[in-house]
Amino acid sequence: DTAVSQTPKYLVTQMGNDKSIKCEQNLGHDTMYWYKQDSKKFLKIMFSYNNKELIINETVPNRFSPKSPDKAHLNLHINSLELGDSAVYFCASSGPGTSFYEQYFGPGTRLTVT
Amino acid sequence: QKEVEQNSGPLSVPEGAIASLNCTYSDRGSQSFFWYRQYSGKSPELIMSIYSNGDKEDGRFTAQLNKASQYVSLLIRDSQPSDSATYLCAVNYDFGNEKLTFGTGTRLTIIP
Repeated sequence: DTAVSQTPKYLVTQMGNDKSIKCEQNLGHDTMYWYKQDSKKFLKIMFSYNNKELIINETVPNRFSPKSPDKAHLNLHINSLELGDSAVYFCASSGPGTSFYEQYFGPGTRLTVT
Repeated sequence: QKEVEQNSGPLSVPEGAIASLNCTYSDRGSQSFFWYRQYSGKSPELIMSIYSNGDKEDGRFTAQLNKASQYVSLLIRDSQPSDSATYLCAVNYDFGNEKLTFGTGTRLTIIP
């Protein structure tokens, strides 16, 4: 199946811990994104990478660090987790073969910080 | 601040009727507009994109864009219970870097 995939699907952890979320796409896209969707369902972009280069970096605490080892993968590492980090994190991708800026989302990772 | 506004709903529509969802945006220079459908507990799914003024039809869905009035709408004909979801409007404000700004979504319920 061609898709955007994320692991893990659920992540429950305690405040202060460090965790990572992984994302992979096999759509041949050049650009990948991380979004955060809060409890009120507001979806906001955090980061975007194009061919492994960071192109969008919104106002996000520097405890969040994205890494793109290649254009098919974009990981998100979060240090010193806080209660307010609890949300659903979506990875998305876009690129050649799609109309401009059409983005396709992964299934999401529900992060709960206790 | 560049914004995308939607009525949060809930919007209730009888089965078989036309559901009309609206979205306004703040920047006249916006080029690309999208509608995503999100079922509860699932990820956003792209259902329509529109780039020029007028209507664009795809099956039961029609997207309408009016750049002069800065609104974009989505019509769903012959509404089905499976159309019950939250519909997110998204606008590309930053031409060249593919950044989307999303509205807060309209929750649609189709009543059998």
